[in-house]
Parts: sequence; structure tokens; C-alpha cells
Amino acid sequence: DIVLTQSPGTLSLSPGDRATLSCRASLSVTNAYLAWYQQKPGQAPRLLIYGASTRATGVPDRFSGSGSGTDFTLSISRLEPEDFAVYFCQQYGNSPFTFGQGTKLEIK
Amino acid sequence: EVQLVESGGDLVQPGGSLRLSCGASGFTFSHHAMSWVRQVPGKGLEWVSRVTYDGGQTSYADSVKGRFTISRDDSKNTLFLQMNSLRAEDTAVYYCARHLIGWHVFIGDYWGQGTLVTVSS
Repeated sequence: DIVLTQSPGTLSLSPGDRATLSCRASLSVTNAYLAWYQQKPGQAPRLLIYGASTRATGVPDRFSGSGSGTDFTLSISRLEPEDFAVYFCQQYGNSPFTFGQGTKLEIK
Repeated sequence: EVQLVESGGDLVQPGGSLRLSCGASGFTFSHHAMSWVRQVPGKGLEWVSRVTYDGGQTSYADSVKGRFTISRDDSKNTLFLQMNSLRAEDTAVYYCARHLIGWHVFIGDYWGQGTLVTVSS
């Protein structure tokens, strides 16, 4: 199984800051089949990015994804109050589909 | 508006069984593959199982293989997860999720609100 390791575990920033979240895979992710999800307390995950860099429908353009192979990044250019949440990466190139352990983005 | 609503979660004893349901609306259910994903409260996500748009193919995580069965009833726009021989480590919130594209990859573009399964004596 492909293990995804996210860093940092917690990121403390202020509204207006830029956030950079990392996801590293134990094996190369086929075709950059890497997605990012946002999850707020008591809510289901929300798809943000797939194919490493394609924004899902309705996702603001301050969210961007990049990377290939084993190293991927989610960037949020100017943090809004509603962006503080937990973010998960997920690979879907190989079954079983696996998720990272999450990065908590908290208000500083 | 796409909606997925899970139900059936409950407290069950180890070794017991439970059947989860996921009612779908707002889209053509029979056109989409579907998956179940679970999450221990406060922890990470684990993909559990998937089924093709027509129910013809299924696959499972090793942790549930042989104990869980995914199925669907397209006439009722409903997805199911039959869970047998439940263990304490199956305790989690179970989400159903729609596949954005195809069956061979899982990109969950819509998720239900989840239903809590607790396995405990």
C-alpha cells in the first residue's frame, strides 16, 4: 500500500497569510493521481483538488496544487477565516486508495 | 442539488452485524460508481469499498475483505454496506461518497454526512 505522510501536523497561521502543506508518498503516485480534501469539525470531507493540480467545481482560485512522483503540495494563497480546517491528501492511482494523516490548519 | 444521506449506524456487540444505507438524490445514481470511506472520530480516513455504476464489480480494503459486502439498488437510488463479524476496530463514522469519474479511481466529489458505527460490548 502507498503510505502518504503529511507535514506539518499542525500549521498555525493568520488570515491573509500563505499556507503551504506537504504530502509525501512512499512510492511514486501513478499519473499524479493525487487529491486534496478539506474537512471541518462535524462535516464530511470536501474535494478541493484532484489530478494534483485541478481544482474541483466551486473551489476558489486561492487554492492550488502541485507536484508529481512522490512529492505534492497544496497552497492557499491568502487565508480566509473559513480555510482553517484539516486537510487530507489521498492517492487514487493504486488500490487500496490511501489518505494521509492530515494537516490541521489553525488560527495563530 | 446532490445529496447523500447515510443511515443504519448503531451500537453493536463484537461479532455482530449491521447494514448501512446511503440514499442518493439530485443526480443520476445509476451513472456513478460509489464508495464507502470510514473515519475513526478525530483520526484519519480509510477507504473501505467501492462498487461500479451497475453493481457488476466490487472491491474491498484488506481490513474488511470477507466480512463486508457492498451493493446497490439503482431502482431505489440506494447504496448499501453489509457489515458482518464486526470488531472493535471497525468503530468509525462511515461515509458514502460518489466517484467523480469511473470506478477504477476514487475521487470523492460528494460525500454524505456520515453514520456512526460503534462496536463494543
